[in-house]
Amino acid sequence: AQKITQTQPGMFVQEKEAVTLDCTYDTSDPSYGLFWYKQPSSGEMIFLIYQGSYDQQNATEGRYSLNFQKARKSANLVISASQLGDSAMYFCAMSPRNTGNQFYFGTGTSLTVIP
Amino acid sequence: DSGVTQTPKHLITATGQRVTLRCSPRSGDLSVYWYQQSLDQGLQFLIQYYNGEERAKGNILERFSAQQFPDLHSELNLSSLELGDSALYFCASSEWTGGTGNTIYFGEGSWLTVV
Repeated sequence: AQKITQTQPGMFVQEKEAVTLDCTYDTSDPSYGLFWYKQPSSGEMIFLIYQGSYDQQNATEGRYSLNFQKARKSANLVISASQLGDSAMYFCAMSPRNTGNQFYFGTGTSLTVIP
Repeated sequence: DSGVTQTPKHLITATGQRVTLRCSPRSGDLSVYWYQQSLDQGLQFLIQYYNGEERAKGNILERFSAQQFPDLHSELNLSSLELGDSALYFCASSEWTGGTGNTIYFGEGSWLTVV
């Protein structure tokens, strides 16, 4: 069975500080993709970053990086230099190859950036 | 802008009624997904189409149906609406080349309120 777990319902971070949002996953498929999405209060879901299960290096996209620890089955999102506009819900997702591009989402973490 | 277009953005309808939500995927994307997001259920996968064929089915009620047309746009039909169907309905699309890096991109969603 495929499962994504986000254990932090809510997080607070001071502006300009870094924050880590946790995500663990479970799959028996050796080939899979890991994704993070941001959902601001306006509702849209915005793709942030992708990590492939065979990628040797952690993915980075601007201020976002994905701390991929394959043995621990974790894919934490790190946001550096937090900005007020980073306040949003963040969803971790997994797409195992053998499921035909199915996406499994976690329950999300609400991040609030404090000025 | 993700390139995925959903209409309408907002609609209010009465219980027992039927509505149709429309989605145009990103140019070149063959795969379309529908998700429902409500406060108590989180992000729920409803159904996936690939090039006009149903690919996978999730927690979609029998009162709901969807299809993908030859021009690749998709429609989600919701009938005999109940108060509990009030939610944000997302369409997403991906090109799906069979690997693991096939990111799905979401539309802005259709906010449905059943009164």
